[in-house]
Amino acid sequence: SQQGEEDPQALSIQEGENATMNCSYKTSINNLQWYRQNSGRGLVHLILIRSNEREKHSGRLRVTLDTSKKSSSLLITASRAADTASYFCATDASRGSTLGRLYFGRGTQLTVWP
Amino acid sequence: NAGVTQTPKFRVLKTGQSMTLLCAQDMNHEYMYWYRQDPGMGLRLIHYSVGEGTTAKGEVPDGYNVSRLKKQNFLLGLESAAPSQTSVYFCASSYWDIRYDSYEQYFGPGTRLTVT
Repeated sequence: SQQGEEDPQALSIQEGENATMNCSYKTSINNLQWYRQNSGRGLVHLILIRSNEREKHSGRLRVTLDTSKKSSSLLITASRAADTASYFCATDASRGSTLGRLYFGRGTQLTVWP
Repeated sequence: NAGVTQTPKFRVLKTGQSMTLLCAQDMNHEYMYWYRQDPGMGLRLIHYSVGEGTTAKGEVPDGYNVSRLKKQNFLLGLESAAPSQTSVYFCASSYWDIRYDSYEQYFGPGTRLTVT
């Protein structure tokens, strides 16, 4: 079963607004990653946050992680129409039998209207 | 570098036919993965490989076989296609990043398969 679950499933905003997506997961993790998927394309890595970090920034992206609540959020500030895509969180598990595996959520479909 | 490439991009099969999807990566990554993506289901792992000559089952391996004879290639086979295997298939590769103890995955563009 998938470990990460994004919320909301779909989000529709106007250009210039901020977009916030949430991810919840079930078990302890080593790190959490966010990926983006444009329509008809493969996923692209956006940002990684380690389990001992609480917040991380990359350009217009801000990711937070709360390991006590097993949740993360992705904030995209000043959204643009080009940000329209699906966003997925992915978690890993402890090393060992699941070495190299990531567990993806079902994604949040973000639509940014001009 | 081409990154991760997949062939073919599109394919239509009749029920019972067989086919092989090819994934190639030029980044010298140890780990490779096959996923399928269906509407509302997100990405589901079919099989993966942690090195040349090794394969392991993921969440939904039934009806699929894989081989990793060369480090740069990961093949996904459907021996007898079924309509339930209509999906978009993604290949990915990764390596262990010692800085973060993590495995960032690099994805191919996908193969859209329809089984009639």
